[in-house]
Amino acid sequence: GAVVSQHPSWVICKSGTSVKIECRSLDFQATTMFWYRQFPKQSLMLMATSNEGSKATYEQGVEKDKFLINHASLTLSTLTVTSAHPEDSSFYICSAREQVISDEQYFGPGTRLTVT
Amino acid sequence: DQQVKQNSPSLSVQEGRISILNCDYTNSMFDYFLWYKKYPAEGPTFLISISSIKDKNEDGRFTVFLNKSAKHLSLHIVPSQPGDSAVYFCAASEGTGANNLFFGTGTRLTVIP
Repeated sequence: GAVVSQHPSWVICKSGTSVKIECRSLDFQATTMFWYRQFPKQSLMLMATSNEGSKATYEQGVEKDKFLINHASLTLSTLTVTSAHPEDSSFYICSAREQVISDEQYFGPGTRLTVT
Repeated sequence: DQQVKQNSPSLSVQEGRISILNCDYTNSMFDYFLWYKKYPAEGPTFLISISSIKDKNEDGRFTVFLNKSAKHLSLHIVPSQPGDSAVYFCAASEGTGANNLFFGTGTRLTVIP
């Protein structure tokens, strides 16, 4: 149990376009979902935390107008990278927390974004 | 500013021997520590955790040791198996239900048959 999926697993887009990444909890309801970013040879860094039905909370230095997060249901959160630039190329990974049984975060497999 | 550090990017160990993965942290407010294991094309999966009120937690072949005064923790795997080959991430937080997990950069463990 506790499976989190992400779609797509990799995407290439042109500079200036927008890309949407989906994160789904497949067998549990996620009260909270998290979005992380990992640059090469660096650690996973939390970008934002979202609770179903409310606005996401962004970490310092993360532009909320550039990285739009929507958590419309207890099983789906989306991250939209707007007006993508090459420096946005990174590995984006989501996690979900169920919080009734445990506080553990369950991670998705990640999405590799390349902006050309 | 990297608050959780894994200074060894890779480690190779013979099957059956002990694997020791190390992690250091700088934030004295961290009181909950976790180890995650990651296979290629998969997300990190939770392996074992330890609260700062303990200095050791054991789960089967996996043991985590915490040295609060040194701000250091380690993961011991014994005996190591080829299936243990993966990237291991150390993470820390303030409290068990904290939103913000601070991760290390990971250590790639290769267990040689």
